[in-house]
Amino acid sequence: EAGVVQSPRYKIIEKKQPVAFWCNPISGHNTLYWYRQNLGQGPELLIRYENEEAVDDSQLPKDRFSAERLKGVDSTLKIQPAELGDSAVYLCASSLQGSRETQYFGPGTRLLVL
Amino acid sequence: KQEVTQIPAALSVPEGENLVLNCSFTDSAIYNLQWFRQDPGKGLTSLLLIQSSQREQTSGRLNASLDKSSGRSTLYIAASQPGDSATYLCAVSIYNQGGKLIFGQGTELSVKP
Repeated sequence: EAGVVQSPRYKIIEKKQPVAFWCNPISGHNTLYWYRQNLGQGPELLIRYENEEAVDDSQLPKDRFSAERLKGVDSTLKIQPAELGDSAVYLCASSLQGSRETQYFGPGTRLLVL
Repeated sequence: KQEVTQIPAALSVPEGENLVLNCSFTDSAIYNLQWFRQDPGKGLTSLLLIQSSQREQTSGRLNASLDKSSGRSTLYIAASQPGDSATYLCAVSIYNQGGKLIFGQGTELSVKP
């Protein structure tokens, strides 16, 4: 069974440019998460989806970040415009139903903003 | 506010040694605690999940314990191998926020041959 797929794996952009990350969760998983992981730190939740609905986006910087999960499967996370401090690894994860179950993580997208 | 702390930040041991990684959390209102492994440049792999009503979980050479009342968990690795070298993260699932995971900063383990 395929795991969580993310693309691109690496992205280098200049500040003020837009960038988008894509995630395909494990088939049948209703819950999808986007995390940001800074160097030497644990991941921090940005947004959680239950099917198509964003049920926790309290830590998403809404002035520049946006996310969508059309049809309750794939998801896209966008940053516009990017800032130097956005350099991090962006991880996508999925679970069968809800946050109380094991979350399965993708390999992440490593973003560098110059 | 839930805070998760892992000590030590880094650990280096010779192959074959048994070792313990520590995790502490400030709020005992949790659904579960999970231990993850992260290899350089990779995502996280779930190792063990302990429900709040459980005291420990075992998988192969790994044993994780949970003492919710004291806000502590340990991950015990028996007979360490160079392939165990990675960063180990613990995370708690918060009771009053829909099970949101709060992570510690990780312990970077190096097992020398």
